[in-house]
Amino acid sequence: AQTVTQSQPEMSVQEAETVTLSCTYDTSENNYYLFWYKQPPSRQMILVIRQEAYKQQNATENRFSVNFQKAAKSFSLKISDSQLGDTAMYFCAFILNYGGSQGNLIFGKGTKLSVKP
Amino acid sequence: EAQVTQNPRYLITVTGKKLTVTCSQNMNHEYMSWYRQDPGLGLRQIYYSMNVEVTDKGDVPEGYKVSRKEKRNFPLILESPSPNQTSLYFCASSLLGNPRPDTQYFGPGTRLTVL
Repeated sequence: AQTVTQSQPEMSVQEAETVTLSCTYDTSENNYYLFWYKQPPSRQMILVIRQEAYKQQNATENRFSVNFQKAAKSFSLKISDSQLGDTAMYFCAFILNYGGSQGNLIFGKGTKLSVKP
Repeated sequence: EAQVTQNPRYLITVTGKKLTVTCSQNMNHEYMSWYRQDPGLGLRQIYYSMNVEVTDKGDVPEGYKVSRKEKRNFPLILESPSPNQTSLYFCASSLLGNPRPDTQYFGPGTRLTVL
């Protein structure tokens, strides 16, 4: 069975600084996708970034980037130049790809990030 | 506007009173899913559907039912709600990945309280 672990229940960062959120996962499969979702106080689930396991290049989306270490099964999220609007719960998620079908999206328990002015 | 909608957004009910939470998407997505979110547990999948008339259990299906009679709608039914079903519920949808899984888009959430 696949599992996703976020070892940091809460983190805080000063505005304009950089913060890294950790995520590890466990699977014996080779073909999968990883996601980071953000949940602000409005509770909406918003996709932040997506990484395909077959791609060695780390995904980047503006101030958000990932450090994907496939051998270590690690998928951390780096937020640069943190802004007050980045305050949210962040969820790491994993999905298997069966090449024409897919498994189910499995979430970690989340990291609550507070950006302080 | 492409979106997933859920109704109601908030609901307080009593034990045993049947209720339905509706979910609708306007993106012609094949895949739809229901999750519940509880503090410290993240999101856990309740049921999912790969297409019309095709549904299957997720990780926590007990006490819930679903149906998929139309592609755009995927209601969640609680036949006899109990207090342990008090939670925040999310519906999500995506294209069914071929050859790759598509990103799931989430509704705004339904806060359910069962007294």
